[in-house]
Amino acid sequence: GENVEQHPSTLSVQEGDSAVIKCTYSDSASNYFPWYKQELGKGPQLIIDIRSNVGEKKDQRIAVTLNKTAKHFSLHITETQPEDSAVYFCAASYHTGNQFYFGTGTSLTVIP
Amino acid sequence: NAGVTQTPKFRVLKTGQSMTLLCAQDMNHEYMYWYRQDPGMGLRLIHYSVGEGTTAKGEVPDGYNVSRLKKQNFLLGLESAAPSQTSVYFCASSLLAGNTGELFFGEGSRLTVL
Repeated sequence: GENVEQHPSTLSVQEGDSAVIKCTYSDSASNYFPWYKQELGKGPQLIIDIRSNVGEKKDQRIAVTLNKTAKHFSLHITETQPEDSAVYFCAASYHTGNQFYFGTGTSLTVIP
Repeated sequence: NAGVTQTPKFRVLKTGQSMTLLCAQDMNHEYMYWYRQDPGMGLRLIHYSVGEGTTAKGEVPDGYNVSRLKKQNFLLGLESAAPSQTSVYFCASSLLAGNTGELFFGEGSRLTVL
């Protein structure tokens, strides 16, 4: 099956700085890559996703990039705010599958 | 506007006891999933269902059973709980299959097995 690795496991940034979280995947058949945000005591929530026919996608302060050749994708958060503090998970899936493979999560702390 | 509801939210069991976690969704989703979340290991799929009356194994199915008798409910059972099953359990549902479906998660059920 698919193996998704995520780095770093923890990340602290000053408010207003950028944060980058990176993931790699192993199965070249994977073609859908969502990112989930989990706030304390809550379930994960989808924040952005990208498909393999697209190299980059932006939504306000959040962007995701995908390098299919290198099998890695990254989440970029610009102008970070305290409410961005959460655990972020990347995931991968492929069109013939019914399940997502999640990374191990990154705990982001934005320091005011 | 409930979305995905899990009960109970907290439970403490002794080794060998049994219990059932209930997941209910009101979005008419076909697909439902049970994940466990452990520190440093992310979310791992236990079992899933692609529709009423169907179930399938995920990455870590051993020690768990599931049932999907009604489309809106997905039950996760532990027949003989073990300390290794101490975890936070999340139920999720999606309208579409893995490649295209956004997962909607419940708020989690924290289980401790002594």
